[in-house]
Amino acid sequence: DTEVTQTPKHLVMGMTNKKSLKCEQHMGHRAMYWYKQKAKKPPELMFVYSYEKLSINESVPSRFSPECPNSSLLNLHLHALQPEDSALYLCASSQDGIRQGTDTQYFGPGTRLTVL
Amino acid sequence: AQKVTQAQTEISVVEKEDVTLDCVYETRDTTYYLFWYKQPPSGELVFLIRRNSFDEQNEISGRYSWNFQKSTSSFNFTITASQVVDSAVYFCALSDPGEGGKLIFGQGTELSVKP
Repeated sequence: DTEVTQTPKHLVMGMTNKKSLKCEQHMGHRAMYWYKQKAKKPPELMFVYSYEKLSINESVPSRFSPECPNSSLLNLHLHALQPEDSALYLCASSQDGIRQGTDTQYFGPGTRLTVL
Repeated sequence: AQKVTQAQTEISVVEKEDVTLDCVYETRDTTYYLFWYKQPPSGELVFLIRRNSFDEQNEISGRYSWNFQKSTSSFNFTITASQVVDSAVYFCALSDPGEGGKLIFGQGTELSVKP
């Protein structure tokens, strides 16, 4: 089973709203990722968690706040977003929390975010 | 610097045609991993294959086959007897174990298979 689930599938929010994206995996993977994907572009890495600790932040604005409550869950808290933040947000996980670069990343279906 | 180039932005074929998607990569490392992902209109990135830099064997999985050539830094993907369900964007990606899991994606090739 290589399933990563994400909720919600779609989200529309205003620039003053606070919302959260959720990601869950039950494969025992120890590394989890957030990516942002604009239309007609490849995914761009935002954050990497390894053993529930933030290991990579790709200079993401502070209006995006990741959280990893446990090894199976990954959240992305959103606050004061801009219209240009509208995109598909993808979560992924991989098995090894240390040698992430050697493992396959399995992706969820994504959340399509629209910021008005 | 690491880089992945997918020169074909869009490809359109008729069902049952064979099609090859090109991928050229750049890296200074001797140990690295290459991947192909499929992204249908629904949005999910579906893993297709992972290959490490020490394994140059070509691979076949049903109608899919991959040709890895280190001499030309290429990792091409061929779909034989294409079907409408193959219509998607295909991404080639490079991973460096020293980069903490960061995937370097190509720009993607949008494949359209017409009936």
